[in-house]
Amino acid sequence: IAGITQAPTSQILAAGRRMTLRCTQDMRHNAMYWYRQDLGLGLRLIHYSNTAGTTGKGEVPDGYSVSRANTDDFPLTLASAVPSQTSVYFCASSKTGGTGELFFGEGSRLTVL
Amino acid sequence: AQSVTQLDSQVPVFEEAPVELRCNYSSSVSVYLFWYVQYPNQGLQLLLKYLSGSTLVKGINGFEAEFNKSQTSFHLRKPSVHISDTAEYFCAVRMDSSYKLIFGSGTRLLVRP
Repeated sequence: IAGITQAPTSQILAAGRRMTLRCTQDMRHNAMYWYRQDLGLGLRLIHYSNTAGTTGKGEVPDGYSVSRANTDDFPLTLASAVPSQTSVYFCASSKTGGTGELFFGEGSRLTVL
Repeated sequence: AQSVTQLDSQVPVFEEAPVELRCNYSSSVSVYLFWYVQYPNQGLQLLLKYLSGSTLVKGINGFEAEFNKSQTSFHLRKPSVHISDTAEYFCAVRMDSSYKLIFGSGTRLLVRP
């Protein structure tokens, strides 16, 4: 079944550690996104990529980095995790030039202690 | 800058009663509007979208929404809710010139028997 796969599903991490959340899509969508979901704040855009080889900053990019080496993969890296990065992270993708509908993965729950 | 406001953080309602979830947006340019639903421990899935044309749009699971440009609103409605409609609902806006979605803070719909 086509879609977005995120890994890990859940992770507990010590503060200061480096962590990479993986995201892979098989829909050949050009655009990909990382959002974090926090209670009462909804979803906030961290980083996005309109096409392979390009990335951009969203609303809350500090402490995060991304890369887009190919169409399918869009990993999100926390170089040195802090407790405020405890959240549920969602990867999404969309066609460019389309209606803008986003397709979401199942999420990665990250706890930083 | 564009923004999305969902005034109600939680809406309790009895089964088979009608419900309206409110969404207001601010933007100085043309927008596309979306409603997403998130069931517990899952990602987001699209309920419906407004791109252009008729201001009343129908989505899945019996939901509909009406775009009101003068009031900058896109309220979601269902004439008769079911227990299975219990979920978090997110309104989102995309500017015409961008592929990024900006989400509201979400409304938790709690359907009681």
